[in-house]
Amino acid sequence: GNSVTQMEGPVTLSEEAFLTINCTYTATGYPSLFWYVQYPGEGLQLLLKATKADDKGSNKGFEATYRKETTSFHLEKGSVQVSDSAVYFCALSDSGGGADGLTFGKGTHLIIQP
Amino acid sequence: GAGVSQSPSNKVTEKGKDVELRCDPISGHTALYWYRQRLGQGLEFLIYFQGNSAPDKSGLPSDRFSAERTGESVSTLTIQRTQQEDSAVYLCASSFRTSATYEQYFGPGTRLTVT
Repeated sequence: GNSVTQMEGPVTLSEEAFLTINCTYTATGYPSLFWYVQYPGEGLQLLLKATKADDKGSNKGFEATYRKETTSFHLEKGSVQVSDSAVYFCALSDSGGGADGLTFGKGTHLIIQP
Repeated sequence: GAGVSQSPSNKVTEKGKDVELRCDPISGHTALYWYRQRLGQGLEFLIYFQGNSAPDKSGLPSDRFSAERTGESVSTLTIQRTQQEDSAVYLCASSFRTSATYEQYFGPGTRLTVT
């Protein structure tokens, strides 16, 4: 079956530090890959996505590249801010994002200190 | 416009009681999804609706769980004879269509505690 593995944290960084949150996946087909973010007191929201190999998703300074050869979709940001503190979820869809729902990792709690 | 709403936001119930969780999707969204997040776990996909049809119910954890949707609007997730392992946050999401092209928009969740 499908699965997503990501570092669980908490990950604590200082403001302006470089961020990497690792995500690897197992899927039977050719999945679409997603990063969702949950800010404190808010619902899950899509951060970025990539639907085929070598695609790069980007949003709000975050980037992730779909690497089929390493089955990875690591999230990066060059300079984090306190407002980036949140829980980040890596997810995949193996059937176009709908019919089987999304398979999520356990989430990575990111804490950015001023 | 309004996002996905869920009610109640919190529910505490005694073991063995039935509970009903409600989801109001974004207007015009034909696809609706239910997920469960137990403490320390990732989100677990339960069921999806395209319109009011749920083609695959195999993700529901047991036959105590059922879900319905009225047309392309409200959905209810019912848990009968609740057990302590049912304690979790239940999340609902909706999207325009069932495709990775369309973003899933999540509600704030219902936190269910079974005592």
